[in-house]
Amino acid sequence: QKEVEQNSGPLSVPEGAIASLNCTYSDRGSQSFFWYRQYSGKSPELIMSIYSNGDKEDGRFTAQLNKASQYVSLLIRDSQPSDSATYLCAAEYTDKLIFGTGTRLQVFP
Amino acid sequence: NAGVTQTPKFRILKIGQSMTLQCTQDMNHNYMYWYRQDPGMGLKLIYYSVGAGITDKGEVPNGYNVSRSTTEDFPLRLELAAPSQTSVYFCASLGVDYGYTFGSGTRLTVV
Repeated sequence: QKEVEQNSGPLSVPEGAIASLNCTYSDRGSQSFFWYRQYSGKSPELIMSIYSNGDKEDGRFTAQLNKASQYVSLLIRDSQPSDSATYLCAAEYTDKLIFGTGTRLQVFP
Repeated sequence: NAGVTQTPKFRILKIGQSMTLQCTQDMNHNYMYWYRQDPGMGLKLIYYSVGAGITDKGEVPNGYNVSRSTTEDFPLRLELAAPSQTSVYFCASLGVDYGYTFGSGTRLTVV
């Protein structure tokens, strides 16, 4: 059974802080990883993808991948209340995505 | 460019009724997917398709059927609805950057 695991949270951080979201995956064959943001009652939207070991930065977001440890993370710098949402980690497996249950992030003013 | 369009947005079914959830994409994507999302849970794959005429089961296919007669359309059929099928259903298609584009979802309640 291919699995992606995330802490369900909630993760509460003050406005302006760094939010760190983590994810582990079970299938060493997975090569592509994704972070989606989902606001309550809305569909998921892609915010980051990462394919190689190391860091990938896009604005306030940094994705980190460690294939040896089967670990993916997402850092959100200068967190804003508008970042409050559920963040879904996903791993690709033969052109299908396996999703974690999501981590709920709360950014308080 | 509408992306992925799902209809209806909301539906209430009685136990034993049937319905079809519609999904259409205008991006010429070959790969399409149906997921369900239960409260507080992640997305579970129901069925997927790699092109017109080709479909395959995902993690939770029981109680559902699909067809893919065209590249654009990927309807999901529920036969004999059960309370366990109460969920939010998302259709998605896969683009060249491996990012999924999701539809806005169908919220289904079976009573």
